[in-house]
Amino acid sequence: GAVVSQHPSWVICKSGTSVKIECRSLDFQATTMFWYRQFPKQSLMLMATSNEGSKATYEQGVEKDKFLINHASLTLSTLTVTSAHPEDSSFYICSARDLTGGEADTQYFGPGTRLTVL
Amino acid sequence: GQNIDQPTEMTATEGAIVQINCTYQTSGFNGLFWYQQHAGEAPTFLSYNVLDGLEEKGRFSSFLSRSKGYSYLLLKELQMKDSASYLCAVRDSNYQLIWGAGTKLIIKP
Repeated sequence: GAVVSQHPSWVICKSGTSVKIECRSLDFQATTMFWYRQFPKQSLMLMATSNEGSKATYEQGVEKDKFLINHASLTLSTLTVTSAHPEDSSFYICSARDLTGGEADTQYFGPGTRLTVL
Repeated sequence: GQNIDQPTEMTATEGAIVQINCTYQTSGFNGLFWYQQHAGEAPTFLSYNVLDGLEEKGRFSSFLSRSKGYSYLLLKELQMKDSASYLCAVRDSNYQLIWGAGTKLIIKP
């Protein structure tokens, strides 16, 4: 149980284009999902907390107009990187909080999306 | 401020035992998590501690001392596939996860 999927697993795009990443909880409902970014050999950095039916909460320094988050249902959150630039190239990982099972509100991670902006 | 410290890198031998330490200073405490992350992959959940003591799960065990702000992850009978980064994360009083930078574990034959 507690499976989270992400799509796509990798994407290469041109500078200036927008990229949408989907995060789905497959076997549980997630009222809260989290979006992380991880640069090579660095730790996870929380970008934003996505709450179903309400606006996302962004961490300090994360541009909400650049990283658009939509959590329209209990099983789906999307992250859109708008007008992507090479410095946005990173490993983007989502996680979902399972409140109904698992161990005490554990976050389960999707497999990640590797974004390369040329 | 909030801070989680773990060693940057450790090396151990296949079949041996290794202990990865984590110390934390956070605003409140609502549990400590250990995750395993293989290179290029997302983290996977290993263990959760909220009360003092040892939690055992097969070859992996995790220990917590809240009074000392300290935890360790113990890996027994090391296998080559255990080569990965191990992330310590603490949930603070706001139920936010505060992440350590991770410990890269290298297993040698």
